[in-house]
Amino acid sequence: GENVEQHPSTLSVQEGDSAVIKCTYSDSASNYFPWYKQELGKGPQLIIDIRSNVGEKKDQRIAVTLNKTAKHFSLHITETQPEDSAVYFCAAGLRSGGNEKLTFGTGTRLTIIP
Amino acid sequence: DADVTQTPRNRITKTGKRIMLECSQTKGHDRMYWYRQDPGLGLRLIYYSFDVKDINKGEISDGYSVSRQAQAKFSLSLESAIPNQTALYFCATSDIGTPYEQYFGPGTRLTVT
Repeated sequence: GENVEQHPSTLSVQEGDSAVIKCTYSDSASNYFPWYKQELGKGPQLIIDIRSNVGEKKDQRIAVTLNKTAKHFSLHITETQPEDSAVYFCAAGLRSGGNEKLTFGTGTRLTIIP
Repeated sequence: DADVTQTPRNRITKTGKRIMLECSQTKGHDRMYWYRQDPGLGLRLIYYSFDVKDINKGEISDGYSVSRQAQAKFSLSLESAIPNQTALYFCATSDIGTPYEQYFGPGTRLTVT
């Protein structure tokens, strides 16, 4: 099955600086790559996604990039703010046996230092 | 997300006890999922259901069972709880047209002593 690795596990950045989280996946058939943000005491929430036929996608201060050849994708947050502090999960979506499944990375705890 | 609710939010139970975690959704989605979250391990899929009559095992189904009572309700049971089932459990839903856009409940923190 699919295996997703995520780095780093923890990340601290000064407010206003950029943050980058990286993930790699193992199955080249995966075709959908969402990112989820989990705030304290809440469930994960989808913040952005990218499909395998797109190399980059941007939504205000967040952007995702995908390198299909290398099988890795990244989340970029610019001009970080205190409310960006959370745990971020990457995931890879794969259709297998007629079912679509998401495999999650192990998470990155991002702390924004005021 | 208020559209997906989980009960209880916190539960402490003893080894060997049977426990049920419940999930309800008002999003009208056909697909529902149960995940387990452990520190350093991310979210792992326990069971998923694509409709009331379709139940599938995920990657870590041993020791768990589920019941899909209605389109809106999906419960997870631990028949005989053990300490290594101590974790944060999440229910999620998705629409058939966008299966990877999953909506998560607030989670149930389960402690087995």
